[in-house]
Amino acid sequence: KAGVTQTPRYLIKTRGQQVTLSCSPISGHRSVSWYQQTPGQGLQFLFEYFSETQRNKGNFPGRFSGRQFSNSRSEMNVSTLELGDSALYLCASSFDPRGGKETQYFGPGTRLLVL
Amino acid sequence: KQEVTQIPAALSVPEGENLVLNCSFTDSAIYNLQWFRQDPGKGLTSLLLIQSSQREQTSGRLNASLDKSSGRSTLYIAASQPGDSATYLCAVRMDSSYKLIFGSGTRLLVRP
Repeated sequence: KAGVTQTPRYLIKTRGQQVTLSCSPISGHRSVSWYQQTPGQGLQFLFEYFSETQRNKGNFPGRFSGRQFSNSRSEMNVSTLELGDSALYLCASSFDPRGGKETQYFGPGTRLLVL
Repeated sequence: KQEVTQIPAALSVPEGENLVLNCSFTDSAIYNLQWFRQDPGKGLTSLLLIQSSQREQTSGRLNASLDKSSGRSTLYIAASQPGDSATYLCAVRMDSSYKLIFGSGTRLLVRP
């Protein structure tokens, strides 16, 4: 099976712009989670989607949003970019429809640089 | 609020040594705990997942233990190799959602 794929892998934007990142989960996986990784804050949970519904949300401003499509692919959007949004954005997928007993499989990430 | 701490932040050992990485958490009511490995600039690779009812899990040269009452987990790496060099992260789940709370990681260097 192919792993979790994320596109694009690298992105450079300027302050005030918006950006959309894409994540394709492992085939058959219905849960997709997003994380932000920065040197200062480490890995922080953004949100999780299951069957096109946001099931959980982290403590991030409303500029961060996401969605999931019927094929389980997910996108996250960041509007009005700030310098502090520069980070590695990681997506993870999992199969278990009944909850978090199984592991999550992470993609390689999208590295976003905001200038 | 759950806090996850990993000590030490960095570790350098010669090849062949057995080593222990530590993870502590403040709220013992966890759902499960997971250890990951991250290579520079890459995503995370799951190493071991321990459910709250389990005490340990083993995979090859890796053994992870969990002591919920004391809020601690350890990752034991036997006979370390240069290829083990990476950052090791522990993460806990507090419920059946997939929200993981991560520690800040231990950066491991295994010297040939």
